[in-house]
Amino acid sequence: AQSVTQLDSHVSVSEGTPVLLRCNYSSSYSPSLFWYVQHPNKGLQLLLKYTSAATLVKGINGFEAEFKKSETSFHLTKPSAHMSDAAEYFCVVSNVGDRDDKIIFGKGTRLHILP
Amino acid sequence: SQTIHQWPATLVQPVGSPLSLECTVEGTSNPNLYWYRQAAGRGLQLLFYSVGIGQISSEVPQNLSASRPQDRQFILSSKKLLLSDSGFYLCAWVRAGANVLTFGAGSRLTVL
Repeated sequence: AQSVTQLDSHVSVSEGTPVLLRCNYSSSYSPSLFWYVQHPNKGLQLLLKYTSAATLVKGINGFEAEFKKSETSFHLTKPSAHMSDAAEYFCVVSNVGDRDDKIIFGKGTRLHILP
Repeated sequence: SQTIHQWPATLVQPVGSPLSLECTVEGTSNPNLYWYRQAAGRGLQLLFYSVGIGQISSEVPQNLSASRPQDRQFILSSKKLLLSDSGFYLCAWVRAGANVLTFGAGSRLTVL
């Protein structure tokens, strides 16, 4: 069985400061991990994905995430926040192709950017 | 190219009425199909997924059901809606063996 926990439901940072959105996962198999973003009244967009290649994954809009197996974490970071980053972010774990086709979302973290 | 269609986009239904939300995918074959519900503060909750025609896996026991009558069609149904069924329902697909989801535009259901 797999699950994903996003440790913060809301995160507020000032524009120009670093962003850290935390995610921990559990999985019976070697998981694939993703971050999706949902802007207000918009659909879900894939930010980045980890599928057992490099542990540091770079995504769109300057975001990146590091897979740490020992900590079962996949935290999302960005060096400098922009106002347009205000959105809801979802961490996702998947075992598709490994006898289990579920794709599980975390409960989301709403990122607020302060001017 | 692949596209995913979901309808209706918006639905207002009384308690106790039936529900049918439809999702179709074009431009691919044998996709994995998923129904999620998004409610405030609860993220995206996986409701059902299907890896083939007639194959439905249910994640959340409730008064909803799903069917896959054709390879690229996925239907979410209820015989009697509850107030708690209100939410934003999203259909998604992945290529078999892959794991990046592509979402439909969603269906917003309000049960009164």
